Order: sequence, then structure tokens, then C-alpha cells
Amino acid sequence: EAAVTQSPRSKVAVTGGKVTLSCHQTNNHDYMYWYRQDTGHGLRLIHYSYVADSTEKGDIPDGYKASRPSQENFSLILELASLSQTAVYFCASSDPKNSGNTLYFGEGSRLIVV
Amino acid sequence: GDQVEQSPSALSLHEGTSSALRCNFTTTTRSVQWFRQNSRGSLINLFYLASGTKENGRLKSAFDSKELYSTLHIRDAQLEDSGTYFCAGTSSGQKLVFGQGTILKVYL
Repeated sequence: EAAVTQSPRSKVAVTGGKVTLSCHQTNNHDYMYWYRQDTGHGLRLIHYSYVADSTEKGDIPDGYKASRPSQENFSLILELASLSQTAVYFCASSDPKNSGNTLYFGEGSRLIVV
Repeated sequence: GDQVEQSPSALSLHEGTSSALRCNFTTTTRSVQWFRQNSRGSLINLFYLASGTKENGRLKSAFDSKELYSTLHIRDAQLEDSGTYFCAGTSSGQKLVFGQGTILKVYL
């Protein structure tokens, strides 16, 4: 079974609305990440977390908040969605202590802001 | 500028031929990972390297942390190898910085 699951897999949101993307992992990994991918580009890190109840800013955190209520769950929150946030969002988990920080990705969440 | 420079940006291979992809890093990099993104958008981890080389079937990767580059060799390319290949480097902490990707198309 998929060890990193994201929901929703696809969403259309209205500009100015609130969007929450959820991620659940069963890998027992400490680290979790949120990346965004824009068409034809690589992935850029938005937020990450290495322990429950704590989050860190990545390279492009503006306009996003993150929440890590438990080891298994990591959410990405867009309080006021904007057109520029249309992208595919990927969640990932890793365990630096045991697998060299190999990243395991979810299937992605396609967000369209209109 | 970009910390991870990936080349080529696109590559077409005849089935059965071989080629290599390359990533150059502009800052000290402790480790590199290679991923393939398939047509459905799924990202699959191919290799993690802190140094040296690793091989898995027809794929082989190398990482030179002193010269700041990594390569991914594809031998005897098959149709199912088509996809977008990304490298990503870790310089500090556990943050990965991704390259822009190489779009690989394998044709009959």
C-alpha cells in the first residue's frame, strides 16, 4: 500500500478562499516535507517538519502555513489562495537516521485557483 | 543562481541505446538523490548516494562530492524508462534542492 497518501488529489479553489492539503504517512518517519511543482519545473520546498508540533520554513514559505499535529500527519494551509498558487503539491517523508534521508513521495495534489 | 544544474533538459533515445544525465552542484553537497517522475506524475526514488557509485539493473549513478557533480547512466534504454528525471542535492540539514529535470523519451 502507499505509505504517503495525500488528499485531496485534485481541487479547484476560489481566489481568496482557504485551502488545506493533507498528508498522512505510515513510514514511521520523523521528517515530512511539502513541495510544489510548477509545470515544466523541478520541486521547490515550502515547509518541512522534523518532529510533531513543530514546522520549519523551506525556500518558498510565503503564502503558506504548515501544521504537524502528529508524526503521521502534515498539512499545508493556504489561508488566502491566489492564482499564483496553482500548482501540483507533493508531500514526502524521510528518516535520516535509518535510510540516508531518502525521500518517499505521495502521489501529488493538483490545485487550481480560479 | 540555481544550486543544482541538470543537463540535458531533454533527451531522446532509441530503444536499446545508452546515455547519461548529469547534475552539477554550485555549493557543497553532502548527498544526492535521483528520482523519476512518470506520466501520471508519481515520483519514484531511484538512488541515494553520499559518495561513490550505485547500480540497480540498467541504471547506475555516481556522485563526486569533491568535484560537485553526479551522473545517472541508463543502459539499454527501454520504453518504460521514459519520464522526467530529477536530481536533488542536500547541502545543509535535511533540505533537498532539486534540479529542473531531464525529460527522457525512449522510442522504438
